[in-house]
Amino acid sequence: EVQLVESGGGLVQPGGSLRLSCAASGFTFRDHYMDWVRQAPGKGLEWVGRIRNKANSYTTEYAASVKGRFTISRDDSKSSLYLQMNSLKTEDTAMYYCARDNGTYLGDSWGQGTLVTVSS
Amino acid sequence: DIQMTQSPSSLSASVGDRVTITCRASQGIRIDLGWYQQKPGKAPKRLIYAASSLQSGVPSRFSGSGSGTEFTLTISSLQPEDFATYYCLQHISYPLTFGQGTKVEIK
Repeated sequence: EVQLVESGGGLVQPGGSLRLSCAASGFTFRDHYMDWVRQAPGKGLEWVGRIRNKANSYTTEYAASVKGRFTISRDDSKSSLYLQMNSLKTEDTAMYYCARDNGTYLGDSWGQGTLVTVSS
Repeated sequence: DIQMTQSPSSLSASVGDRVTITCRASQGIRIDLGWYQQKPGKAPKRLIYAASSLQSGVPSRFSGSGSGTEFTLTISSLQPEDFATYYCLQHISYPLTFGQGTKVEIK
């Protein structure tokens, strides 16, 4: 069974940093592109970014709203995905989901999400 | 960036009704579109990919159609468990963009 479990969320002050993790199991993690998607309270879904697999050089893409502040990485040996978030703003407050892709199609499986609250 | 516009933003329907949700792209996206269902407090779930391919395990009452700039998600006979918010997503170019969502409520 495919499982994605996010962790690392919490309360952080504006300007602070946080690192989210997504532990994957039940599939060959190294074969898949992975994405982060977020949802601010009461709002819609927003794509955050993507990391490709080793065959595609682990290249990344980001939404403009997070580019230069957020970094997506992965450790295939640990079947884990990461989101390093720096210079956090109040508008980054959201539930953050990791999602597995099949090919370039986003999200055939999703984690349960981890909540990030940016507030003083 | 490609803008995705869903209509309606919300709708009320009864169990057994046929429901259609439309998603329009600001430029052509071929068939690079997916549909997702989200229930309150839960993660999204993919229903359709490549505009019309049914995700494994998703009931056949869900169907998708369209190409280019106009797409539809149809629920042929609405069931109680289908009351949720539905989102479209284009993935032809970065940044990937979601529609604003369509909330399907009980009439």
